[in-house]
Amino acid sequence: TQLLEQSPQFLSIQEGENLTVYCNSSSVFSSLQWYRQEPGEGPVLLVTVVTGGEVKKLKRLTFQFGDARKDSSLHITAAQPGDTGLYLCAGVSGNTGKLIFGQGTTLQVKP
Amino acid sequence: KAGVTQTPRYLIKTRGQQVTLSCSPISGHRSVSWYQQTPGQGLQFLFEYFSETQRNKGNFPGRFSGRQFSNSRSEMNVSTLELGDSALYLCASSSRTSGNVGELFFGEGSRLTVL
Repeated sequence: TQLLEQSPQFLSIQEGENLTVYCNSSSVFSSLQWYRQEPGEGPVLLVTVVTGGEVKKLKRLTFQFGDARKDSSLHITAAQPGDTGLYLCAGVSGNTGKLIFGQGTTLQVKP
Repeated sequence: KAGVTQTPRYLIKTRGQQVTLSCSPISGHRSVSWYQQTPGQGLQFLFEYFSETQRNKGNFPGRFSGRQFSNSRSEMNVSTLELGDSALYLCASSSRTSGNVGELFFGEGSRLTVL
């Protein structure tokens, strides 16, 4: 069974701080996605990374896919209260095409 | 373009009852997936339907079933409800036809409470 472990599970920081969320697995994924979910809503896709070593930037968010395509990280620079939410990584199994989600990281950014 | 619509948004059932949840995907999307989200287990894949056929299935007991209609709308059913079935059930649609999963567009979910 393919598993994705996210860390940390919870993060509470002050506005302006930087943070990194990690997503690790012992399995290889054909691609990896990051979603953000706000209370009362469904997850919304932030980015998809496909190539090992790939780095994508989305304003203050930087996403990296590990060289071996087993891990990924999300770095937020100068966090803002609007970044508050549940961040989910999801790996696409090359064999089954299923999307496997990590447990999520709950981020709270205090003003 | 309307998003993914799930009904009902909230419902309360008692153990042993059954429940049917509905999902209308984004127009033109033929792939519909269902996920169960709980604080302890996170988001877990239930099943995926494409053109009225179940294409993928997660590791849930047979009490969980689903179907898709010719207009791509989908329903999932849970029979003989247990307390542990209390969760947010999310539906996601995709324009994916084959290969990589593509972008999933999620609905707001149906929150089921089993008493």
